[in-house]
Amino acid sequence: EDQVTQSPEALRLQEGESSSLNCSYTVSGLRGLFWYRQDPGKGPEFLFTLYSAGEEKEKERLKATLTKKESFLHITAPKPEDSATYLCAVLNSNSGYALNFGKGTSLLVTP
Amino acid sequence: GAVVSQHPSWVICKSGTSVKIECRSLDFQATTMFWYRQFPKQSLMLMATSNEGSKATYEQGVEKDKFLINHASLTLSTLTVTSAHPEDSSFYICSASPGINYGYTFGSGTRLTVV
Repeated sequence: EDQVTQSPEALRLQEGESSSLNCSYTVSGLRGLFWYRQDPGKGPEFLFTLYSAGEEKEKERLKATLTKKESFLHITAPKPEDSATYLCAVLNSNSGYALNFGKGTSLLVTP
Repeated sequence: GAVVSQHPSWVICKSGTSVKIECRSLDFQATTMFWYRQFPKQSLMLMATSNEGSKATYEQGVEKDKFLINHASLTLSTLTVTSAHPEDSSFYICSASPGINYGYTFGSGTRLTVV
């Protein structure tokens, strides 16, 4: 059975204090690993898709990396507007086309 | 591109009544759409996969007679919560994709409160 575990559950950073969020996964036949940002009361907003170990993608202050067991979302010099819940999800070869989500990391960036 | 519209954003209904939530893909066709439920401080849990022109596939533990899904066109899927009860109060979110390489787009969600 797929397992997606995100850590930490919550993270508080000072503005400008870089850090990383972790997503470890156990799936059979990974087809893709997805990162989303979710603001309170809203649907998830797509950030990245990673398909194979060693792949990296960047967008503004965010950089996502992937290994065979985990993915990291690095946040460089975060700003208060980066405060949100960050969700990791996997798509495997046995789950049809539905994503399996982790519980998320709630990030708070203070001025 | 790849916009998914969901309505209503929030709804309050009385216990025992039914509520319909719409999910539309605005700029692409979606033969498959997904319905998720999210409780406070929890992650998204897949409820069912909606298939255009055929029956939906429900996840284990989800009552198909309570959560009716209709996917009558390539751009519209509806979720009807029948005989709603307070325990059905939750945040319901739909999702679709124009293709795996384009990622999955989510609607803005519907906050259902049953009183």
